[in-house]
Amino acid sequence: DAGVIQSPRHEVTEMGQEVTLRCKPISGHNSLFWYRQTMMRGLELLIYFNNNVPIDDSGMPEDRFSAKMPNASFSTLKIQPSEPRDSAVYFCASSREVGYNQPQHFGDGTRLSIL
Amino acid sequence: KQEVTQIPAALSVPEGENLVLNCSFTDSAIYNLQWFRQDPGKGLTSLLLIQSSQREQTSGRLNASLDKSSGRSTLYIAASQPGDSATYLCAPYNNNDMRFGAGTRLTVKP
Repeated sequence: DAGVIQSPRHEVTEMGQEVTLRCKPISGHNSLFWYRQTMMRGLELLIYFNNNVPIDDSGMPEDRFSAKMPNASFSTLKIQPSEPRDSAVYFCASSREVGYNQPQHFGDGTRLSIL
Repeated sequence: KQEVTQIPAALSVPEGENLVLNCSFTDSAIYNLQWFRQDPGKGLTSLLLIQSSQREQTSGRLNASLDKSSGRSTLYIAASQPGDSATYLCAPYNNNDMRFGAGTRLTVKP
């Protein structure tokens, strides 16, 4: 079991640039979650998918953020245009069943710095 | 909106000591509660998941209890080891939403 794989591990870019974060969930898992972690706000849910369908995106901060899951093995989180306040660690997690009734497995995160 | 508080924010103990981490939440109508561990530079690792109908869950040296009516959960770590050093977060789930506490940073000294 390879675990949840996120790329890149680190991203440094200038404000205004488009940023794309990628996630490969564990094979066979039906739910996928995107989180953001900062010192000030802690860990926040941005969006989650059940069976590739977005269920709750109320945590997405602004229209600059978008997420897609074109198939069961891949998801992206895009920020366009990026701003310095988007700097954070972004985590992707997956779980076997829909919703929150099963343990979530986290990737190691993408540390994003917007200059 | 669910508010989650974890006390203490940081804890330092000598190796071998038994310890308790506390988690409180404001909305007791939860479906379950998870305890996670986070190592520096890493994602979260799920340790225990307690369903709302359960009072406790055990895994090795870890025991998590849940008192839903009072909005509290505790994580008990027996015979602590330096490898237990990490940040521990609790996360109750309700209303299609899971909220995380800020965590307790645990240091176990050899």
